[in-house]
Amino acid sequence: NAGVTQTPKFRILKIGQSMTLQCAQDMNHNYMYWYRQDPGMGLKLIYYSVGAGITDKGEVPNGYNVSRSTTEDFPLRLELAAPSQTSVYFCASDRDPNTGELFFGEGSRLTVL
Amino acid sequence: DAKTTQPPSMDCAEGRAANLPCNHSTISGNEYVYWYRQIHSQGPQYIIHGLKNNETNEMASLIITEDRKSSTLILPHATLRDTAVYYCIVRAPNTNAGKSTFGDGTTLTVKP
Repeated sequence: NAGVTQTPKFRILKIGQSMTLQCAQDMNHNYMYWYRQDPGMGLKLIYYSVGAGITDKGEVPNGYNVSRSTTEDFPLRLELAAPSQTSVYFCASDRDPNTGELFFGEGSRLTVL
Repeated sequence: DAKTTQPPSMDCAEGRAANLPCNHSTISGNEYVYWYRQIHSQGPQYIIHGLKNNETNEMASLIITEDRKSSTLILPHATLRDTAVYYCIVRAPNTNAGKSTFGDGTTLTVKP
């Protein structure tokens, strides 16, 4: 049982490039989330999904896209990377919305130069 | 979800109890208090949650005041590995846990 797995752990992008951050969970959780965390700050919700085929915007969705074709996977796509997207990205999943126990991945550190 | 207020930083001596306060004066009757922590550069980790009664698990204890306007997370015997940012979150049941706001939290430094 690996929990929530994120890849890659580190990535450097040039301005204007695109990439996909991968997130997979093996706990059969319906709810999945993407956050970004800037240095010294809390987490900001980018996108979330309540099940396969259903996604919705969070607090800071601009510049990102997501898809949820399976229960296990929730990739985050960055289009036309900008320096403002330099951050650490965390994926999380929720066992049960009533318990509120979020399970987080180890993060993906992205630098845009 | 109600807003929470936490001190930005605290120190604690190794082996002593760490008491982390959280103010949630606008909490509603059905909202739970949750605590997570984030050890440097790792993903946040769930610690404990409660509604009105005090709660204890293998990691910590949660004390919620009778009026529920504040709470304290207690790490009974802090170790160096407990150095982390601690987040206090308030949310109602049947709401999307991932939409809870993780503010700036309290940075706890455990010193030898």
